[in-house]
Amino acid sequence: DAKTTQPPSMDCAEGRAANLPCNHSTISGNEYVYWYRQIHSQGPQYIIHGLKNNETNEMASLIITEDRKSSTLILPHATLRDTAVYYCIVSLSGSARQLTFGSGTQLTVLP
Amino acid sequence: GAVVSQHPSWVICKSGTSVKIECRSLDFQATTMFWYRQFPKQSLMLMATSNEGSKATYEQGVEKDKFLINHASLTLSTLTVTSAHPEDSSFYICSAGGLAGYADTQYFGPGTRLTVL
Repeated sequence: DAKTTQPPSMDCAEGRAANLPCNHSTISGNEYVYWYRQIHSQGPQYIIHGLKNNETNEMASLIITEDRKSSTLILPHATLRDTAVYYCIVSLSGSARQLTFGSGTQLTVLP
Repeated sequence: GAVVSQHPSWVICKSGTSVKIECRSLDFQATTMFWYRQFPKQSLMLMATSNEGSKATYEQGVEKDKFLINHASLTLSTLTVTSAHPEDSSFYICSAGGLAGYADTQYFGPGTRLTVL
């Protein structure tokens, strides 16, 4: 699986959009970009994933650059409960595929 | 949907004893389950992958005789830490591969915190 690079930490004001970047310059053509988050002392939570088109669901939006070498996860209106470590993972599609977790980005939403 | 439970949520045991952790997919059938370990301030590390009805595949450096994994049904996998020692104290997390009807990815349990005295 391709390796990802994320900033170690970010702050965001409550109510504002949180934009979390991820670089995955070695991604291959059939690999997807997955985003998970882990709130302290809990199991990771699936957020969203995509191949090359932008994706949106009730939790977030995923913007993937045209060359697919980077992506941005957008939480449109961050709340205090969005404080967590956010992991960007590149993997082949399928629920049986292994996920390799990097160090992620610690997002702190400030009141 | 896509709920995965773990039991117990935390356990404290004496050194040398064995501890069993259960992972259940509550509303879907999971042909593949994964076990991870997470030490404080570190990321998740995959320990093993288990497929229903077959032997688990362990990652390099994970002792299969110490961490026994059983995946006897499509909704249940167990991890038994045998002869636990203080260095086995960690946060153990399972995940289950979701089938049709959910996003094609893994769904994680809430984790089990093991403390070995």
